[in-house]
Amino acid sequence: GENVEQHPSTLSVQEGDSAVIKCTYSDSASNYFPWYKQELGKRPQLIIDIRSNVGEKKDQRIAVTLNKTAKHFSLHITETQPEDSAVYFCAARGSGGSYIPTFGRGTSLIVHP
Amino acid sequence: DTGVSQDPRHKITKRGQNVTFRCDPISEHNRLYWYRQTLGQGPEFLTYFQNEAQLEKSRLLSDRFSAERPKGSFSTLEIQRTEQGDSAMYLCASSPFGSSTDTQYFGPGTRLTVL
Repeated sequence: GENVEQHPSTLSVQEGDSAVIKCTYSDSASNYFPWYKQELGKRPQLIIDIRSNVGEKKDQRIAVTLNKTAKHFSLHITETQPEDSAVYFCAARGSGGSYIPTFGRGTSLIVHP
Repeated sequence: DTGVSQDPRHKITKRGQNVTFRCDPISEHNRLYWYRQTLGQGPEFLTYFQNEAQLEKSRLLSDRFSAERPKGSFSTLEIQRTEQGDSAMYLCASSPFGSSTDTQYFGPGTRLTVL
């Protein structure tokens, strides 16, 4: 089955800095890569996703890049703000019919004001 | 707050008791998923329904766990003879069938504590 590794487990930045979270996956057939943000005590919420036919996608301060050859994808947050502080999960989903993603272990992002 | 809802939000039970959780998906979504999340981990897949059919179950889903979605709308997850290792957040998610994005929308979760 799919295996997703996520790094770092904790990331501490100053407000205004950029943050990068990296994930690798094992199944070359995976074709959908969502990123979720989970604030303390709240539900995971989708913030951005990318499909395997696209190399990069951007939404305001958030961008995701995908390298299919190397089987890794990254989340980039620019101009970080304290409200960006949360746990971020990457996931990879194969091309099978169940649409079940495999999640990484999460990155706790702390943005210091 | 429209979206996926779960009930109860918190459950404390004694080891050996049975517990049941409920999930109400977004109304037009016919796919429903159950996940378990423990501290420091991402959500781990438990089982998945398309309409009322349970199509896949994880190896994590022992015989003590059972899930139903009798009318293809809400779902229940029952844990029999709870063990301390069952303590976790149980998340439900739903997604629409045939969507090009297949985005899963999560509920707020039910936090289970087994004493």
